[in-house]
Amino acid sequence: DTGVSQNPRHKITKRGQNVTFRCDPISEHNRLYWYRQTLGQGPEFLTYFQNEAQLEKSRLLSDRFSAERPKGSFSTLEIQRTEQGDSAMYLCASSPSQETQYFGPGTRLLVL
Amino acid sequence: QKEVEQNSGPLSVPEGAIASLNCTYSDRGSQSFFWYRQYSGKSPELIMFIYSNGDKEDGRFTAQLNKASQYVSLLIRDSQPSDSATYLCAVRRLNSGYSTLTFGKGTMLLVSP
Repeated sequence: DTGVSQNPRHKITKRGQNVTFRCDPISEHNRLYWYRQTLGQGPEFLTYFQNEAQLEKSRLLSDRFSAERPKGSFSTLEIQRTEQGDSAMYLCASSPSQETQYFGPGTRLLVL
Repeated sequence: QKEVEQNSGPLSVPEGAIASLNCTYSDRGSQSFFWYRQYSGKSPELIMFIYSNGDKEDGRFTAQLNKASQYVSLLIRDSQPSDSATYLCAVRRLNSGYSTLTFGKGTMLLVSP
């Protein structure tokens, strides 16, 4: 499979716990994006990497959220002290250029 | 005013008909326009994109862009039940050179056999 992969696909956690998600982009894509999607809404941009550099962060990304992309390959998104409002689908997308973005299958987070 | 607006639907069409999905955007600086399809519980998949005013055709899909009216649409010809999904409109703005996509809420399309 040469598409974007994300792990885990599902995560259930208790409020206050930390969670970490991983995204493996398409190998030749140097741009990587994280989005969050809640029911009935379109994806909302969280953050953007070009290679290993995090170039943009949304105001949605509170200080409990951190993302990394060491070596410009896979990326991780960590949420500390999770809250019930963090329950959502977390989507990763990669792109070879400024244009088309290809999404992974997403990680569905449920915070109890 | 929301940045990207779509009618949430559902839009119901019979099999074989033309489905017309519409999207308006507020930022005149928007440069590129994308249509994604999202099946329930799945991630968005890119259908097509358009940059210039006019029509762009790809198989059964046609994207139409009118920058003066800040309007983009997607036509699906010969609709099939497998086309039943939520269609997301996304707009790209040049933001300090970065490619930020802003999505609408999506329009649910139901194609009945």
